[in-house]
Amino acid sequence: EVQLLESGGGLVQPGGSLRLSCAASGFTFSSYAMSWVRQAPGKGLEWVSAISDSGDNTYYADSVKGRFTISRDTSKNTLYLQLNSLRAEDTAVYYCAKGWNQGKYGVDVWGQGTTVTVSS
Amino acid sequence: QPVLTQPTSLSASPGASARFTCTLRSGINVGTYTIYWYQQKPGSPPRYLLRYKSDSDEQQGSGVPSRFSGSKDASTNAGLLLISGLQSEDEADYFCAIWYSSTFVFGGGTKLTVL
Repeated sequence: EVQLLESGGGLVQPGGSLRLSCAASGFTFSSYAMSWVRQAPGKGLEWVSAISDSGDNTYYADSVKGRFTISRDTSKNTLYLQLNSLRAEDTAVYYCAKGWNQGKYGVDVWGQGTTVTVSS
Repeated sequence: QPVLTQPTSLSASPGASARFTCTLRSGINVGTYTIYWYQQKPGSPPRYLLRYKSDSDEQQGSGVPSRFSGSKDASTNAGLLLISGLQSEDEADYFCAIWYSSTFVFGGGTKLTVL
């Protein structure tokens, strides 16, 4: 069974940093692109970032470009999202999600999410 | 104008059908893109329903009933999600998405009420 388990969320002050992790299991992690998607309270879904299966290619939403960094560690089957220079508007549940097929960025399986709250 | 536009809400009766639209911005041809559909219930992560590019290139999500189906309407430049035989458990938010210009873009979502 494919499983994604996020961790690392919490309360952080504006301007602070966090690193989110997503532990993947049940599939060949190195063969699939991965994404982070967030959802602010009471709002819709907002794609944040994606990374290719090899990790060579990364993509970001304009709202986080230059502040967030996506990465992956194949040896640990883990996806990461480094969040820097956090703002109140970054407050959201952050989901990691798996590409639906090798080389594809559209997502199918989602994790349960981890909550990031940016507040003083 | 947003890349993807969805109606805010939709209401339908149990047993009836519900038709969701996801309209692509003018200049973005629906025929070129795979449309992804997700269902989200309160307090839960989104669930992948299906993806649709054409009748020969579509995929149902794991465990998703066949009463959920996708299509396109070229005349309105829209992706469509159809749910037949509505059940109370179908009440949820529904989001569409496309991979566009190296970003994964979501529509604003449609809230389905089954009454």
